[in-house]
Amino acid sequence: DADVTQTPRNRITKTGKRIMLECSQTKGHDRMYWYRQDPGLGLRLIYYSFDVKDINKGEISDGYSVSRQAQAKFSLSLESAIPNQTALYFCATSDFSGFGELFFGEGSRLTVL
Amino acid sequence: SQQGEEDPQALSIQEGENATMNCSYKTSINNLQWYRQNSGRGLVHLILIRSNEREKHSGRLRVTLDTSKKSSSLLITASRAADTASYFCATVRNAGGTSYGKLTFGQGTILTVHP
Repeated sequence: DADVTQTPRNRITKTGKRIMLECSQTKGHDRMYWYRQDPGLGLRLIYYSFDVKDINKGEISDGYSVSRQAQAKFSLSLESAIPNQTALYFCATSDFSGFGELFFGEGSRLTVL
Repeated sequence: SQQGEEDPQALSIQEGENATMNCSYKTSINNLQWYRQNSGRGLVHLILIRSNEREKHSGRLRVTLDTSKKSSSLLITASRAADTASYFCATVRNAGGTSYGKLTFGQGTILTVHP
């Protein structure tokens, strides 16, 4: 089994719908991240979390919310999806220091029509 | 703003040739990391080089770091078609006012290796 698992892998939805992307990890890491990837823009950080009580905004948090249900679970929600949120979303984990490598899930491709 | 800027944006070579990708950054760093991404897949960590290191090797990969020029390069020797992927540098620096690291990705280099 993968260390970092994302569900769903692909999702097509309509404007205005609520969408949740889920992430679970077996790495035992404290830090979890949600990134968004758009062609030509690299990866941009949406939110990150140190633990269930510590959640921080990244550079593009508007229109998104997150929940850290447990050390191993971190979900990303789009309360009212819009077409420009069409992108590839990645969950990642790292050790608590934040200086080490990131471990990525396989991604969730979201299309908002 | 992006900490790492990569060059070139795209690179096309023949199998057996060497591929060199460059990454420049703006502020002091703790370490610099390189990742690989196959099309539509998750990123995979390749190598980490600390700010007090100048060169690091891993198999066919060679990474250099020049902190005076604020730049790094990734060299893939004797490339193979299977090396076709996007390669990203990521700089890690101290998050302001804390003892924690903050990682920022560059925009990546798309490498195509033709058989």
